[in-house]
Amino acid sequence: GAVVSQHPSWVICKSGTSVKIECRSLDFQATTMFWYRQFPKQSLMLMATSNEGSKATYEQGVEKDKFLINHASLTLSTLTVTSAHPEDSSFYICSASRASGSHEQYFGPGTRLTVT
Amino acid sequence: TQLLEQSPQFLSIQEGENLTVYCNSSSVFSSLQWYRQEPGEGPVLLVTVVTGGEVKKLKRLTFQFGDARKDSSLHITAAQPGDTGLYLCAGEPSGNKLVFGAGTILRVKS
Repeated sequence: GAVVSQHPSWVICKSGTSVKIECRSLDFQATTMFWYRQFPKQSLMLMATSNEGSKATYEQGVEKDKFLINHASLTLSTLTVTSAHPEDSSFYICSASRASGSHEQYFGPGTRLTVT
Repeated sequence: TQLLEQSPQFLSIQEGENLTVYCNSSSVFSSLQWYRQEPGEGPVLLVTVVTGGEVKKLKRLTFQFGDARKDSSLHITAAQPGDTGLYLCAGEPSGNKLVFGAGTILRVKS
């Protein structure tokens, strides 16, 4: 158990367009989902914490109007990169924490975003 | 801000050698997790340690949580090329947010 999926696995878009990335917990309910950004050969940088049914909590320096997060159900959170620019190109990873029990986070396979 | 210092940042060894990766902090964590990540994929949870002094083994991998729950180590015995990857430690100070170390890139040459 504890499988998290992301869609799409990679996406190429033009500057100025918006891209939506989905994160789903497939076999468990997740009250909390997290969105991370990762640069090559570096660690994960937490962007925001998303709780089902409430507004996301963004980390310092992350623009909430640029990175829109919606956590509509206990199994789905979405990250929308609005008006994307080349500097937004990165590897975006989500994780999900179970509704009960430990706070272990289970990660999705990531989404490679390239903005041209 | 609670920080986790992870070392070494990069390790290149020959197959069969042993290695240890360290994560240290001045802060106490309620739990600490170790992940392994391959290029283009998400991190995969290896182990969670929660009790000070705890030792967990996963085949050739041995994980230890410091008595004061401020540090942890990952020891790999007889490393194999399949162990190559990015190893990440992550501590849970409280609540459900994780603090990640900078990561250790391990390359095992055959």
